[in-house]
Amino acid sequence: GAVVSQHPSRVICKSGTSVKIECRSLDFQATTMFWYRQFPKQSLMLMATSNEGSKATYEQGVEKDKFLINHASLTLSTLTVTSAHPEDSSFYICSRGRPNSPLHFGNGTRLTVT
Amino acid sequence: AQKITQTQPGMFVQEKEAVTLDCTYDTSDQSYGLFWYKQPSSGEMIFLIYQGSYDEQNATEGRYSLNFQKARKSANLVISASQLGDSAMYFCAMRVQAQKLVFGQGTRLTINP
Repeated sequence: GAVVSQHPSRVICKSGTSVKIECRSLDFQATTMFWYRQFPKQSLMLMATSNEGSKATYEQGVEKDKFLINHASLTLSTLTVTSAHPEDSSFYICSRGRPNSPLHFGNGTRLTVT
Repeated sequence: AQKITQTQPGMFVQEKEAVTLDCTYDTSDQSYGLFWYKQPSSGEMIFLIYQGSYDEQNATEGRYSLNFQKARKSANLVISASQLGDSAMYFCAMRVQAQKLVFGQGTRLTINP
């Protein structure tokens, strides 16, 4: 069964609003989780590393004030897209890893900003 | 810098044939991991197979095998006896520091009946 749960799977929001995406590790207390973004017909690009109990680490070019990441517990990381705009429309997917194990992904969230 | 290259944007194969998806990588690290994921149109990322840089034998998982040639820095995925359900995007990825993954551009595989 799934080991990473991501919710919602699909969301449509109006420009200027904020959207929260949740990612849960179901079988393992993950101190680190990862957020990726995938534009249509492109590959996955790492946005940030979510660290339990501390600040997230953002990849170059990713606005930390726009993409807020909270990892308040060992099983839950959230990504909030603040003041969303149409160019933020994308597929967002989280993953978590554990030593000596493949990285598992959530089912992703398709965000459409109108 | 670490990089994954997949040179085949699309592949078309007849059902029941074997198919090889190419992947080359670049890294200066001695210890690394290579993954293949399948992404159907629904978007989920399905783990297929893993090869560690120190693994001497090629990884196999059912119909999937990984042709690992370390000196050539290639990690090709071989799917035997392809099925219609194998049609999807396939991504090669390399694990870099702290569980991060770097992905290739992907190959869209289409299995024809």
